[in-house]
Amino acid sequence: GESVGLHLPTLSVQEGDNSIINCAYSNSASDYFIWYKQESGKGPQFIIDIRSNMDKRQGQRVTVLLNKTVKHLSLQIAATQPGDSAVYFCAENVRGFKTIFGAGTRLFVKA
Amino acid sequence: DAEITQSPRHKITETGRQVTLACHQTWNHNNMFWYRQDLGHGLRLIHYSYGVQDTNKGEVSDGYSVSRSNTEDLPLTLESAASSQTSVYFCASSQAQGYEQYFGPGTRLTVT
Repeated sequence: GESVGLHLPTLSVQEGDNSIINCAYSNSASDYFIWYKQESGKGPQFIIDIRSNMDKRQGQRVTVLLNKTVKHLSLQIAATQPGDSAVYFCAENVRGFKTIFGAGTRLFVKA
Repeated sequence: DAEITQSPRHKITETGRQVTLACHQTWNHNNMFWYRQDLGHGLRLIHYSYGVQDTNKGEVSDGYSVSRSNTEDLPLTLESAASSQTSVYFCASSQAQGYEQYFGPGTRLTVT
């Protein structure tokens, strides 16, 4: 499939371990944040989102943490599986206007 | 199930030709977007639309145009294809501003 990025930061984890993917966002006025997963040859897929009035939000095996003080977002994946291997990127949105996407992190899960 | 589709999935064209990439969504979303994705650049916004007859330029709109004649479709046209437009193109839609976007599978365009 199409290569998303050959020079992306890479995180390598053992199957069953927890993964933490970090993202620094750029605009202190951003009030909505989204994490996407992109598998090779596919379009980005929505994973989880969080609004700026929250610090933490949990989904199925995923948790997003937001630290507005340092403009930092993280995605935690519990019990990482081979199917989680993909590029993950965060996106920020300012008051409903255009969404800005980060470059992404490649997650590699070792069986 | 609602979905967003793109066609063709792969296209090879020659420099100077006009090319149109199709995007069709059945989510009934008002907002639709076109992005290109290149190594080292992530997703860059080309054009977007907030409804029928509405179109707006994104950060890399030169050489591209869109039209929105109905809710479901936002075709992207390359007026005169250039080698710099070789890329993977993604269409997306969302229910409103400030909500997640749903992406299509992408079109890989090669301009020779």
